[in-house]
Amino acid sequence: DSGVTQTPKHLITATGQRVTLRCSPRSGDLSVYWYQQSLDQGLQFLIQYYNGEERAKGNILERFSAQQFPDLHSELNLSSLELGDSALYFCASSVGTLGANVLTFGAGSRLTVL
Amino acid sequence: AQKITQTQPGMFVQEKEAVTLDCTYDTSDPSYGLFWYKQPSSGEMIFLIYQGSYDQQNATEGRYSLNFQKARKSANLVISASQLGDSAMYFCAMREGGGAQKLVFGQGTRLTINP
Repeated sequence: DSGVTQTPKHLITATGQRVTLRCSPRSGDLSVYWYQQSLDQGLQFLIQYYNGEERAKGNILERFSAQQFPDLHSELNLSSLELGDSALYFCASSVGTLGANVLTFGAGSRLTVL
Repeated sequence: AQKITQTQPGMFVQEKEAVTLDCTYDTSDPSYGLFWYKQPSSGEMIFLIYQGSYDQQNATEGRYSLNFQKARKSANLVISASQLGDSAMYFCAMREGGGAQKLVFGQGTRLTINP
């Protein structure tokens, strides 16, 4: 157990729907990251939060949004889902934002859009 | 823009042999960190080893070592005495040191250890 908790582990939904993925970071970690892993795109950085504030943004679609709450858990909202959104979504956390800080990953949430 | 290249899509190695997984990177930031992660078939991402750009010594963690050649911009992972449980995808990643920077991953290398 890495200490980073992601729910749900698996999710199957239909095109056009909206889903929310939840992440609880490791105890003491203030920074949360979201990544998408798909066969054709590899591991893509989506967004990063530090202590409730957005710190970096990657290739996150406008249909996707995220936030980090005061208790430091984070949610990734995916709306108007398309077949191509099917992927493994990882949350990771780190103590801070320095280059040396190791990211600890959760087990991932596997999203299947039918 | 930072970039990570892993040129070996797949590698097959006999058990107990040493294996080197290649990784080259490109960045203009003098301060950066290099990471290797392992992803077994179960899907989780497991941190293996870290090397800072200013570290003088190559990083080692048990059977894992990182062959850091700064001038060549390479950060190869060496696994000594490979085991069947080492079969997995391996990802090289880099993070520039300016703070609030993303960790960028390479495409990965699938390592298969044969008995």
